[in-house]
Amino acid sequence: DAKTTQPPSMDCAEGRAANLPCNHSTISGNEYVYWYRQIHSQGPQYIIHGLKNNETNEMASLIITEDRKSSTLILPHATLRDTAVYYCIVSSAGGTSYGKLTFGQGTILTVHP
Amino acid sequence: SAVISQKPSRDICQRGTSLTIQCQVDSQVTMMFWYRQQPGQSLTLIATANQGSEATYESGFVIDKFPISRPNLTFSTLTVSNMSPEDSSIYLCSVEPVTAGVVYEQYFGPGTRLTVT
Repeated sequence: DAKTTQPPSMDCAEGRAANLPCNHSTISGNEYVYWYRQIHSQGPQYIIHGLKNNETNEMASLIITEDRKSSTLILPHATLRDTAVYYCIVSSAGGTSYGKLTFGQGTILTVHP
Repeated sequence: SAVISQKPSRDICQRGTSLTIQCQVDSQVTMMFWYRQQPGQSLTLIATANQGSEATYESGFVIDKFPISRPNLTFSTLTVSNMSPEDSSIYLCSVEPVTAGVVYEQYFGPGTRLTVT
């Protein structure tokens, strides 16, 4: 699976948009971009995934560049409860890497009042 | 979605002993995974457990140290054998529902916090 690079930490004011970047320059054509987050003392939580197109769900939006070498997770109106470690993961949805998620160090997002 | 419970939620064990961690899912799933999260670190996949077959272990993890059972489609156990303080970690199970033959997301249990003294 392709490796990802994320900033170690970011801050965001409550109510503002949080934009979390991720570089995955070695991503291959069949690999998806996944985002998970881990709130302190809990198991990771799935947020969103995408292949080529931008995606939006009730939690967040995912913007993937046209060359697919980087992406941005957007939390449109961050709250204090969004304080967590955010993981950007690249993985294929099938084949020999079926289901395997390789977690990097992630980005610690701190939302402050 | 899937709701996952783990038992125990935490334990303190003496070195040289073994602990079995249980993972229960509220629906039938084909694939279950066991992860380890050492203090201050990210998650590392230990093994994949499919019902009816031997677990598949990742590099650096062996069956003698981390035996896994998967007796049915809703349950799995991970045993941490002959424990040492280096085994102190959070152990998490996860499941991956399959939609139309493609896997998109995993659901994680709350984790088992193990301290070995």
